[in-house]
Amino acid sequence: AQSVTQLDSQVPVFEEAPVELRCNYSSSVSVYLFWYVQYPNQGLQLLLKYLSGSTLVKGINGFEAEFNKSQTSFHLRKPSVHISDTAEYFCAVTRWKLVFGTGTRLLVSP
Amino acid sequence: ETGVTQTPRHLVMGMTNKKSLKCEQHLGHNAMYWYKQSAKKPLELMFVYNFKEQTENNSVPSRFSPECPNSSHLFLHLHTLQPEDSALYLCASSQEAGETQYFGPGTRLLVL
Repeated sequence: AQSVTQLDSQVPVFEEAPVELRCNYSSSVSVYLFWYVQYPNQGLQLLLKYLSGSTLVKGINGFEAEFNKSQTSFHLRKPSVHISDTAEYFCAVTRWKLVFGTGTRLLVSP
Repeated sequence: ETGVTQTPRHLVMGMTNKKSLKCEQHLGHNAMYWYKQSAKKPLELMFVYNFKEQTENNSVPSRFSPECPNSSHLFLHLHTLQPEDSALYLCASSQEAGETQYFGPGTRLLVL
């Protein structure tokens, strides 16, 4: 069975500061990894995905994530956040069924 | 319209009502999904349809009844719901089951 752990339920950060949202997964087989973002009162939007190849994945809105197989992690990073990045971020893993973490709320303040 | 659309966006219903949620995808995908998102809980997969056939029912109570008349449309029929069923219901689609999923905006359901 697969599982996802998002270690931080909430991450407060100032505008223009860097941010890292942590995600660890557990699986007995190789998996595909995703980050989704959910803005208030909206559905989930795909930020980026890792299927194979380069372990550094670039997504939309300046976000990137690095797949680390030895540490079973897929942390999301952005070098400089904007107020508009305030949202809930979900890490997810799939082999056949998409399994989500509990989400991390990113709060960007001026 | 493009992507995945859901109607209505908001719904308030009594426990004795019958209502339906609609999802439509304009991506040419063959798999569609229903998820439930409750506060403080991970997204819960409810149903999966692949090429119009239901391939997964994640122990969902029978008061939720899905219908997939074709690969572009997915319905969730609701009857005699409970207050704890209040949540955001999200629809998603993918090219085939197990591939990258794209989500609609959701229907915010309140059961009184």
